Amino acid sequence: GAGVSQSPSNKVTEKGKDVELRCDPISGHTALYWYRQRLGQGLEFLIYFQGNSAPDKSGLPSDRFSAERTGESVSTLTIQRTQQEDSAVYLCASSRTSYTGELFFGEGSRLTVL
Amino acid sequence: RKEVEQDPGPFNVPEGATVAFNCTYSNSASQSFFWYRQDCRKEPKLLMSVYSSGNEDGRFTAQLNRASQYISLLIRDSKLSDSATYLCVVILVTSGTYKYIFGTGTRLKVLA
Repeated sequence: GAGVSQSPSNKVTEKGKDVELRCDPISGHTALYWYRQRLGQGLEFLIYFQGNSAPDKSGLPSDRFSAERTGESVSTLTIQRTQQEDSAVYLCASSRTSYTGELFFGEGSRLTVL
Repeated sequence: RKEVEQDPGPFNVPEGATVAFNCTYSNSASQSFFWYRQDCRKEPKLLMSVYSSGNEDGRFTAQLNRASQYISLLIRDSKLSDSATYLCVVILVTSGTYKYIFGTGTRLKVLA
């Protein structure tokens, strides 16, 4: 389809393992955002890309979290040495530009850390 | 203080009722404002933009008061299908970056 695609949709991992979450934005969308949503909570901003650059990384909770974007397309969010408090749905969104106001979200990657 | 604050609800209303949600934002650098809707265990989707002049889309009316840093959403003639969480969103522009800040959402349940 033409929407934002995220993988895996579900990931169960053991505490201490590394995980990679992938986001394929809508083709041609220059802005890409990562959010975290814990159960019953709101969306927590993690990082934002304009093209391949990340002008705002202020939301990354710790140095265990990193993200990159290549080819102004695919983005990967990596969580190293996962902890139980990392359990959440990780949502990716893309937008044609940074300021159009409409973010198109993927269905999210549900991460469970045991 | 949170950058965007909303009453979490839930608001339980009968079908056909009119219901209003409010949202306040703390940063005067906030430039654009929106309401998104999130259904249970689904991703958020844009409902409507919010302008100072107010805007209406069918049964939905949104209003912005910049002086009071306050945003509202009014839903008339509520339908069962309106049951969802309504998220207030502001775009904070700082040093040329555009950060979309989401409120925690207000849950609406429309009852038959």
